Amino acid sequence: AQKITQTQPGMFVQEKEAVTLDCTYDTSDPSYGLFWYKQPSSGEMIFLIYQGSYDQQNATEGRYSLNFQKARKSANLVISASQLGDSAMYFCAMRPDQTGANNLFFGTGTRLTVIP
Amino acid sequence: SQTIHQWPATLVQPVGSPLSLECTVEGTSNPNLYWYRQAAGRGLQLLFYSVGIGQISSEVPQNLSASRPQDRQFILSSKKLLLSDSGFYLCAWEGADTQYFGPGTRLTVL
Repeated sequence: AQKITQTQPGMFVQEKEAVTLDCTYDTSDPSYGLFWYKQPSSGEMIFLIYQGSYDQQNATEGRYSLNFQKARKSANLVISASQLGDSAMYFCAMRPDQTGANNLFFGTGTRLTVIP
Repeated sequence: SQTIHQWPATLVQPVGSPLSLECTVEGTSNPNLYWYRQAAGRGLQLLFYSVGIGQISSEVPQNLSASRPQDRQFILSSKKLLLSDSGFYLCAWEGADTQYFGPGTRLTVL
C-alpha cells in the first residue's frame, strides 16, 4: 500500500523568502513518480513538478525544486523567492509505475500563506 | 493542446436526488481518465478510473457509479445522493508525465 504524509497543516513565509514543504512517502513499488500540485482557492489542481524514483538529479521547474532523498523516502518541495500568489494548498502525490492506469496517491496537503 | 472540461461548476442537490457530473477532454485520444473527490480540508480520494470506453474500475465502494460512453467523456452518477457525497469532484486525464485536472465541480448535498 502507498502512503503519503504531509506533516505541516499550515506554513507561513515572508514574501521573497524561500520555504520548504515536507513530504514523506511509503511504498513497496520499486519504481514510482513523485509529484507536487498547487491548489489555489479556486479549487483547480495545478501540476508543479515531477521526480522519478530513478532520477539522479533533483527536479527543478523555475522557482520550484524538489529535494528528493530516496533513502529517507522524502520529497520536499522548495519554493524560492516566495510571491503573494504562491498562497495556496500544496499537495504531494505519488504514482507507482505500472501498466494500465496509474493512480495518484495524495497527502493531506499543506496550506501556505505568503506574508507581504 | 489538451483541455479538460467539467460541468456543472457548482451544484446543490437534496438528499435522495440523482446526480450526473460530466467530464470531457479535448486534444487527445483514448486517455486514461480519473474521478477524484476532495472533502473539505482534505486530500484527494480516487473514486474511479477508466482506461477505455466502457472500462471502469472502482476504488471505493459507495453509492456512486461512473461510465465512459465515449472516448473522451467520463460521467459520474448517483441514483440517490447522501449527505456524505458533498465535496469537490475533480476529473483528470493522464498525460505523459502526470495527471492534469479539470476545474472541478463543487457539490453540496442538503
